[in-house]
Amino acid sequence: NAGVTQTPKFQVLKTGQSMTLQCAQDMNHNSMYWYRQDPGMGLRLIYYSASEGTTDKGEVPNGYNVSRLNKREFSLRLESAAPSQTSVYFCASSEDRGGYGYTFGSGTRLTVV
Amino acid sequence: EDQVTQSPEALRLQEGESSSLNCSYTVSGLRGLFWYRQDPGKGPEFLFTLYSAGEEKEKERLKATLTKKESFLHITAPKPEDSATYLCAVQARENTNAGKSTFGDGTTLTVKP
Repeated sequence: NAGVTQTPKFQVLKTGQSMTLQCAQDMNHNSMYWYRQDPGMGLRLIYYSASEGTTDKGEVPNGYNVSRLNKREFSLRLESAAPSQTSVYFCASSEDRGGYGYTFGSGTRLTVV
Repeated sequence: EDQVTQSPEALRLQEGESSSLNCSYTVSGLRGLFWYRQDPGKGPEFLFTLYSAGEEKEKERLKATLTKKESFLHITAPKPEDSATYLCAVQARENTNAGKSTFGDGTTLTVKP
């Protein structure tokens, strides 16, 4: 089925470890996004990519890096995980640079101990 | 700074009991207002986009309306399968670089049979 695929679905990290969250979409969308969702704080934008080859910071970028590998793939890297990064991470994509709704992946539930 | 406030936080209805969810927003020039549905453990699912005051969109038992300051999601004769968290989001017209969305915290709807 067409959509956004995120891996892994669950991950437990120790403080200081690094990891990369993978995201791929097969809808030929130009724009891709990484959000985190925390209870009581809603969805907050970490990084986004308006098109292949470009990335920009969102509301909460500290502690994260991203790579837009090609039009399909947009990865999120935690270089040195901290307990404050315990969250559910969602990747999303949209048709164009604005004015369109998102298609979300199913999320990665990350726990940092 | 764009802001989205949703109310109530939680809503419990009997099957067939119609009601409305509210989304109040502040944005410097609205490009679009979006409604999503999120089931537990899943990513949000896109429902509607509204672009200008006075616009309405319908899908099954759901109808979304928009004014210059708020949007309502009306649920007519809800069924238990309508139970979910409903998220509202806005995009500002000035976000020319990408369709960055600001999300509200959501309203969790429970429909009892």
